[in-house]
Amino acid sequence: GAVVSQHPSWVICKSGTSVKIECRSLDFQATTMFWYRQFPKQSLMLMATSNEGSKATYEQGVEKDKFLINHASLTLSTLTVTSAHPEDSSFYICSATLDRLRWGSPLHFGNGTRLTVT
Amino acid sequence: DAKTTQPPSMDCAEGRAANLPCNHSTISGNEYVYWYRQIHSQGPQYIIHGLKNNETNEMASLIITEDRKSSTLILPHATLRDTAVYYCIVSGGYGNKLVFGAGTILRVKS
Repeated sequence: GAVVSQHPSWVICKSGTSVKIECRSLDFQATTMFWYRQFPKQSLMLMATSNEGSKATYEQGVEKDKFLINHASLTLSTLTVTSAHPEDSSFYICSATLDRLRWGSPLHFGNGTRLTVT
Repeated sequence: DAKTTQPPSMDCAEGRAANLPCNHSTISGNEYVYWYRQIHSQGPQYIIHGLKNNETNEMASLIITEDRKSSTLILPHATLRDTAVYYCIVSGGYGNKLVFGAGTILRVKS
């Protein structure tokens, strides 16, 4: 079964509003979670690394003030798209590893959130 | 992270084995090879990973060459539901981020 859960699975919002996406680790603690974005017919692009209790690390070209990440607990990271615009419409996916203490432990991904900004 | 090279697409007949190749000639000694697949509009699904030995699980087998510069993912009896984009990724670390390439579109045909 799924080990990483995302909510909502899809959301439609109006331009200028903010949208929050939740990523939860199920039955395990995730001190680190990763957020990806995927545009149609493209591969996944890493946006940021979410660290529990500290600031997220953003990849080059990703606006940290636009994509707010909060990792307030060991099982929940949230991504807030602020002042969303149509170009932010995309598929957002989070991931985490089950065993952060084991070298090479694979990441498991949520089922993604489809954001459409009108 | 080391870069990987995969063919852009492959076809496979239903019921036959699907062999998906991946080149990773610059892999480091402590980096794993991971395989994921993504079915349309879903998050990537973990398939298998390995360091240097061949690996097998209920989904697939992973064959890594002795020099570790390439690997092959084998789906022993492909079904139509195996149609997806398959990603080969090389990475190392504790819960390390994964960098996705373009992957291979596998089409299983009846």
